[in-house]
Parts: sequence; C-alpha cells; structure tokens
Amino acid sequence: QKEVEQDPGPLSVPEGAIVSLNCTYSNSAFQYFMWYRQYSRKGPELLMYTYSSGNKEDGRFTAQVDKSSKYISLFIRDSQPSDSATYLCATLTGANNLFFGTGTRLTVIP
Amino acid sequence: DTAVSQTPKYLVTQMGNDKSIKCEQNLGHDTMYWYKQDSKKFLKIMFSYNNKELIINETVPNRFSPKSPDKAHLNLHINSLELGDSAVYFCASSQEPAGAAYEQYFGPGTRLTVT
Repeated sequence: QKEVEQDPGPLSVPEGAIVSLNCTYSNSAFQYFMWYRQYSRKGPELLMYTYSSGNKEDGRFTAQVDKSSKYISLFIRDSQPSDSATYLCATLTGANNLFFGTGTRLTVIP
Repeated sequence: DTAVSQTPKYLVTQMGNDKSIKCEQNLGHDTMYWYKQDSKKFLKIMFSYNNKELIINETVPNRFSPKSPDKAHLNLHINSLELGDSAVYFCASSQEPAGAAYEQYFGPGTRLTVT
C-alpha cells in the first residue's frame, strides 16, 4: 500500500467552478499534509500545508485534513485558467521525507 | 536569482553509459534531496542528504549515488544506465529537517532519456 493515494485525473472544469481534489493516506502517525502544485515542465512548488487535523484557508484555496478517515482535500474556489496544473498531495514521514500522491491534472477552461 | 538549479535540463544517452546531473541551491538550506518522476508523473524520493546523514530509499539501485562537494551542491551519478532510468529527476532542498522539511524547494528538473 502506498503512503498516499490520490484520486486519478484528469479533471476539467469551467472557469469559476469549485474544484475538489482528494487523497487518502495510510499511516495515522503522519502529522504534516501538503499540497504541491506543478506546472507543466516545472518543478513542484508548495501551495499549502496543514499540521494535524482541521482546515487551513489561503485566498481561494482551502486545505482540509480529516485524521479520523485519513482523508486530505484541497478546495479551489472561483477557479481560474492560471490554476491549470497538476496538484500533488504529500505527507511527511518520521524520517522527514516527502511521500507524494500520483497527482491530479487540472484544466480550467476559460 | 534561481533558488535551486539543475544541469543539464535535458540528457539523452545510451544504455550502459555513466552520467551525472548537477544540482545547486543558493537558499542556505542544509538538506538536499533527489526525486525521480516517472512517465505517470509519480514523484518518488531517492535520497535525502545533509552534512550529517545520507538517507537512501531502499528501492534505489546502487547504480545511483549522490555526491555532495559542499552544502550547496548535491550531484547525482548514475552508472550503467538502463532504459528504465528514463524519467525526470528533480533536486530539492529544505531547511534543517527538524524545522521545515515539509517545505521543499524544487529545481526545474532534468529530463533523462536512455536509448
């Protein structure tokens, strides 16, 4: 079993839609949960992180962690064409290594 | 003022060759990493390294070896290249693990094609 499983894409939405991206993780000891964004032909960049459980909001983006169900979500409100990218969820192991999901490719259509 | 840089950006080589990919970071970070991203976009840790410890992912063949001449550089050497080594390789860095390993800064990637 992989450390992190991510809903496969691709996902295509019209501009202005609300986007929901989801992952599950396997180890209840994980405490850090991240969302990285990767534009085509670029390296990933940290979008948001959450420590332990709960919600975190940053502008149009909300990250949510439910530790009881080992579920990680990222919501994007009022999606824009510039949000088109691959979104990778990740967890941090005790050895301080990132384990990534397989990524969901999002396209926002103008 | 690139934070994490890698050279080359593209590398095409034949099976059996030995090649190196260079990585440099100017962020003053203490820990550097190498990741492999396969054709399905799955990004997997290969190594993490600081001046105290090298942690190797046990699934990485010993044909791959990281070499760090100093804190700002972590190069990746690959011996006897195989077709399955074709992938995009990313270098990354972070502050000391105890503080902020969740926030890693990635380079632009090196696209390796083995023919």
